[in-house]
Amino acid sequence: DQQVKQNSPSLSVQEGRISILNCDYTNSMFDYFLWYKKYPAEGPTFLISISSIKDKNEDGRFTVFLNKSAKHLSLHIVPSQPGDSAVYFCAASANFNKFYFGSGTKLNVKP
Amino acid sequence: DAGITQSPRHKVTETGTPVTLRCHQTENHRYMYWYRQDPGHGLRLIHYSYGVKDTDKGEVSDGYSVSRSKTEDFLLTLESATSSQTSVYFCAISRQGETGELFFGEGSRLTVL
Repeated sequence: DQQVKQNSPSLSVQEGRISILNCDYTNSMFDYFLWYKKYPAEGPTFLISISSIKDKNEDGRFTVFLNKSAKHLSLHIVPSQPGDSAVYFCAASANFNKFYFGSGTKLNVKP
Repeated sequence: DAGITQSPRHKVTETGTPVTLRCHQTENHRYMYWYRQDPGHGLRLIHYSYGVKDTDKGEVSDGYSVSRSKTEDFLLTLESATSSQTSVYFCAISRQGETGELFFGEGSRLTVL
């Protein structure tokens, strides 16, 4: 049973608008959450992370929000750019050992 | 650049043959991982290693074995390849104790006919 779930396989937004990608998890022992971006024929690259002791982390245009009570995290990209078009994976870990990934959301940013 | 090299990058093989994928790192990190990526499933952990000769199973370990005889190399072996093991395989390292995130290699595309 998947411990990390991304229920939206795809998302399409207009350039300049906000992109919101969502992720849910089931394991309450997870204490570290990450987002990865993946282009075709490349390995995933790290985007942003958040510890369970925080509820928000920002890095430039990217912000991750964590709602522990709902076991939900989201990635906000503002403003969205065409170069952001990629597959985004959320991941979770307990004690930095095993990292569990969601199934991914394909973001398409239209010019 | 996290200094991860995967080989081979592409391989086509036949059902029933053994296959070994190699992951090589240049940064001396303790933790190494093998994932497979499949449509609709995302990235699933096959096996991981937390040191030389120290390995553990992941979510989808059946049909796979691993070995780590030295820090820099982590080998993934498909003992008898099946068509269901057609996938893209990614190796990753973890800079544990620093920022904790995984750094991935470029992937190995395996096709089992």
